[in-house]
Amino acid sequence: DTAVSQTPKYLVTQMGNDKSIKCEQNLGHDTMYWYKQDSKKFLKIMFSYNNKELIINETVPNRFSPKSPDKAHLNLHINSLELGDSAVYFCASSQDGGFYYGYTFGSGTRLTVV
Amino acid sequence: TQLLEQSPQFLSIQEGENLTVYCNSSSVFSSLQWYRQEPGEGPVLLVTVVTGGEVKKLKRLTFQFGDARKDSSLHITAAQPGDTGLYLCAANTGNQFYFGTGTSLTVIP
Repeated sequence: DTAVSQTPKYLVTQMGNDKSIKCEQNLGHDTMYWYKQDSKKFLKIMFSYNNKELIINETVPNRFSPKSPDKAHLNLHINSLELGDSAVYFCASSQDGGFYYGYTFGSGTRLTVV
Repeated sequence: TQLLEQSPQFLSIQEGENLTVYCNSSSVFSSLQWYRQEPGEGPVLLVTVVTGGEVKKLKRLTFQFGDARKDSSLHITAAQPGDTGLYLCAANTGNQFYFGTGTSLTVIP
């Protein structure tokens, strides 16, 4: 069983389209996150959800919207995709804010906007 | 300027060599973690250090947290091709969590 699973693994789409990435965790963790990894491999947090409540919202464009139907799922919806959105997006979860037990990451979704 | 700077950015060594990767900051952290990320996968937690001066060993990997809790090092002894990957430090200050700039390690058989 995969602890944190996200789909799709690869996503190629045209500028202006709307797309979603799904994430599910079966670890029973309280908090889930979305991270963006750029071409230089730098990881930057986008959102986190704790008990269906957004607790971190970094300065990301409002074209990005997280949606959490329940504690085990955190989906990422992106409107009006732009070339600069091309990156690898990682879903993650933690049981203590990640401070000691760390984050468990999914295997990533490589988004390419053409 | 990133909060957590790692050096070197890239490292290519022969199998059997030793290496050290550094993670530096001007900020004080409550805890610091090291992750390894393999191509096509997400980062995987290797260790968490919380006490200044703390040293932890994981087989051939030795992690040290600086006395002032501002920096850390990762030392690998007798590197193997399976150690190849992107090494990331990560740390929290208050309720903010940050990842380092990364060190890409290639171990050549």
